[in-house]
Amino acid sequence: TQLLEQSPQFLSIQEGENLTVYCNSSSVFSSLQWYRQEPGEGPVLLVTVVTGGEVKKLKRLTFQFGDARKDSSLHITAAQPGDTGLYLCAGLSSSGGGADGLTFGKGTHLIIQP
Amino acid sequence: ETGVTQSPTHLIKTRGQQVTLRCSSQSGHNTVSWYQQALGQGPQFIFQYYREEENGRGNFPPRFSGLQFPNYSSELNVNALELDDSALYLCASSWGPGLQPQHFGDGTRLSIL
Repeated sequence: TQLLEQSPQFLSIQEGENLTVYCNSSSVFSSLQWYRQEPGEGPVLLVTVVTGGEVKKLKRLTFQFGDARKDSSLHITAAQPGDTGLYLCAGLSSSGGGADGLTFGKGTHLIIQP
Repeated sequence: ETGVTQSPTHLIKTRGQQVTLRCSSQSGHNTVSWYQQALGQGPQFIFQYYREEENGRGNFPPRFSGLQFPNYSSELNVNALELDDSALYLCASSWGPGLQPQHFGDGTRLSIL
């Protein structure tokens, strides 16, 4: 059974601060995705990383896939209240051709206080 | 382009009853995956349908079953409901089983009394 561990589980910081969220596993994934979910809504895809060591930037968000494709991080620079939400990482198994679905972490609840 | 839509948005059932949840996939998407998200947890994969056939299944008992129709819309059926089945049920569609991204609907909130 593949597991993804996210840390921290909860994070509350002031507007303007930087933060990093981690997603770790002992399993290798063919790709890893980060989603953001707001209350009462479904997850919305932020980014997909595929290559070990890959770094992708989305405005103030920087995503990195570990060299061994077992872990990932999300770094937010100068956090804003609009960044508040549940951040989920999800991995696609390296076997199964996608039929195994996505394995999700439990998520990081992020609150940015004005 | 129409996104993924799910119905109903909320549902209350009692233990032992049966429920059917519905999902319309995004236009052109032939693959639908269902996930269960318990309160405070990440979504858990239930199963996936590709071209009207079950293509993969997570660790859920047989009382969780599904269908996919020729227009690629899908149903999730749960029999003999248990209290632990209370959760947000999410549907996601994509172009194919291994192709991303998956586009999620806003889910059906199922409460079991």
